[in-house]
Formats: sequence, structure tokens, C-alpha cells
Amino acid sequence: AQSVTQLGSHVSVSEGALVLLRCNYSSSVPPYLFWYVQYPNQGLQLLLKYTTGATLVKGINGFEAEFKKSETSFHLTKPSAHMSDAAEYFCAVFSGGYNKLIFGAGTRLAVHP
Amino acid sequence: DAGVTQSPTHLIKTRGQQVTLRCSPKSGHDTVSWYQQALGQGPQFIFQYYEEEERQRGNFPDRFSGHQFPNYSSELNVNALLLGDSALYLCASSFSSGETQYFGPGTRLLVL
Repeated sequence: AQSVTQLGSHVSVSEGALVLLRCNYSSSVPPYLFWYVQYPNQGLQLLLKYTTGATLVKGINGFEAEFKKSETSFHLTKPSAHMSDAAEYFCAVFSGGYNKLIFGAGTRLAVHP
Repeated sequence: DAGVTQSPTHLIKTRGQQVTLRCSPKSGHDTVSWYQQALGQGPQFIFQYYEEEERQRGNFPDRFSGHQFPNYSSELNVNALLLGDSALYLCASSFSSGETQYFGPGTRLLVL
């Protein structure tokens, strides 16, 4: 069965600091991996995705993630945090057999001045 | 290009009542999936509709049912509401062969 684990339910960084949100997955087949962001009282917005090809994936708002098969990880990074990055971030793996996304529990990112 | 839309944005119901939530997919998409997001948790898959049929279903009771119309829009129905059904209900659309799902803003349901 496929699953996603997000390490750290809350992460706090200073404005301008590196953002690192951790995601590990479990999958018996080559995974399709996603990061979504959810701002307060809103739906999910796709940040980036990995399907095949280049393992370093760039997304919107300056975020990027690297697929590391050997570590079964897909961590999300941003070199310099902005106050507007404060939100909940979800990592997900696509279960092709069931045509569904399996989400992690989410990481709430706080950015302080 | 309109994205995924959902209505209503908020609903308050009492236990035992029934509710219908609506979703219009992103232009060009033919597949609609529904997810339930309880407070402080990640979304959980309810079911998926394609060609007006339920194609996949998650671990939700039969009180949760759905429908897809010829124009690809969809409804989620929940009967005999329980307090535990209080959540944000998210609709996502995609191509039938695609893995990338785009989400709507959600409907927040409160059951009293």
C-alpha cells in the first residue's frame, strides 16, 4: 500500500530563511508525487509535481522539490521565505490503481519577521 | 479559463439531515474526485466519477453517494448526517488518464 509521511506538523522560519518541509513516501511502484499548498479557508493549490524525468522539480512561488528514490523522499524547499508563504503544505502520492491521491497529514509553515 | 468551482461555500445542518454539495470541473476535464478534509488532517478520498459512473471509492459508508452529469459536473450527497461528517469537502477535477488533480475552494459543512 502507498503512504506518505510528513515529518513535522509545524515548522517556523524567519523571513528570508530557508524553508525545508520533509516528505517521505512508501510505494511499490514508481511514484507520482505532488506538493499542494492550502491557505486559510481555501482549497488546495498545486505547487509542483514529479512524474518522470528530471528529479529536481520547480514549482510556483519559488518552491522546488527533489525526488530521491534511494531515500524515498520528496522534500520541498524554498531558498528565502516570505511572509506570504505562511500556509499548510501537503505532500501526496498518486495511487494509479485507485486513481486517487493519498495525502500526508500536512505541515503548517509559520513565517515570522 | 475557469477553475474548479464548488457550491455552496458553507453549510450548517443538524444530525440526521441530508446534504447535497455541487462541483463544476475545470474546463476540459472529464473526471471528478471528492475528498473529505477533517480539521487538522489531510484530505481523504471519498470517490471518483468518470463517464457518469462511480469509478473508484474510498473507505466511506454508503451514506455518501454521488452523481456525475453529462456536462461532467458532479454532486456529493450525504444522508443521515453525523456530527463526525463536519469537515471541508473538496472537489478535484482531472483528465481521465491524468494523475494531476486540481482542487476547488471546498464546501465547509458543519453538523450540529
